[in-house]
Amino acid sequence: DAGVIQSPRHEVTEMGQEVTLRCKPISGHNSLFWYRQTMMRGLELLIYFNNNVPIDDSGMPEDRFSAKMPNASFSTLKIQPSEPRDSAVYFCASRQSSRQETQYFGPGTRLLVL
Amino acid sequence: GENVEQHPSTLSVQEGDSAVIKCTYSDSASNYFPWYKQELGKGPQLIIDIRSNVGEKKDQRIAVTLNKTAKHFSLHITETQPEDSAVYFCASGGGFKTIFGAGTRLFVKA
Repeated sequence: DAGVIQSPRHEVTEMGQEVTLRCKPISGHNSLFWYRQTMMRGLELLIYFNNNVPIDDSGMPEDRFSAKMPNASFSTLKIQPSEPRDSAVYFCASRQSSRQETQYFGPGTRLLVL
Repeated sequence: GENVEQHPSTLSVQEGDSAVIKCTYSDSASNYFPWYKQELGKGPQLIIDIRSNVGEKKDQRIAVTLNKTAKHFSLHITETQPEDSAVYFCASGGGFKTIFGAGTRLFVKA
């Protein structure tokens, strides 16, 4: 299995621009998570999907952030407009089911907003 | 709210020595405790986990212990090697949500 796939791996953009991060979960997994990792705040859960439906988005920082999962094999995290404080590594993780606890993380997208 | 505290934040050991990382959690309903290893430029990877019906679990040089009464759990790495150098995260979960600790940066000096 290819594991969780994220793209792009690196993104540099200017403040105010729209940023879209992409994730392909492991085939057969029906739970998907978006995390943000920074030195100051560690690993933060942004949003969780189960069977393509957002279950908990309480970690989404503000309205500039949105996430979608149009089908079982694809999810996006969008930031519009981006700000320098959004600079972080964004991870996507998937899990086989809500009863299986183990999450499998992707390699992450390193975002730098200038 | 729910939280997981992890100590120490940085740990430096000599190759061959043991390393111990400790965590405490607040949610009494937690019943699943994974440990993840994150190498530079990569995502966290599960290395071992333990469930609340077990007090200890071992996998080669790695062992985890759980004290549910005290809400403590620990990771023990014996005979450390340079390739063990990484950031280690503990976590607690139960249901869909997993809460991660802040991480421990482990340095193993050759």
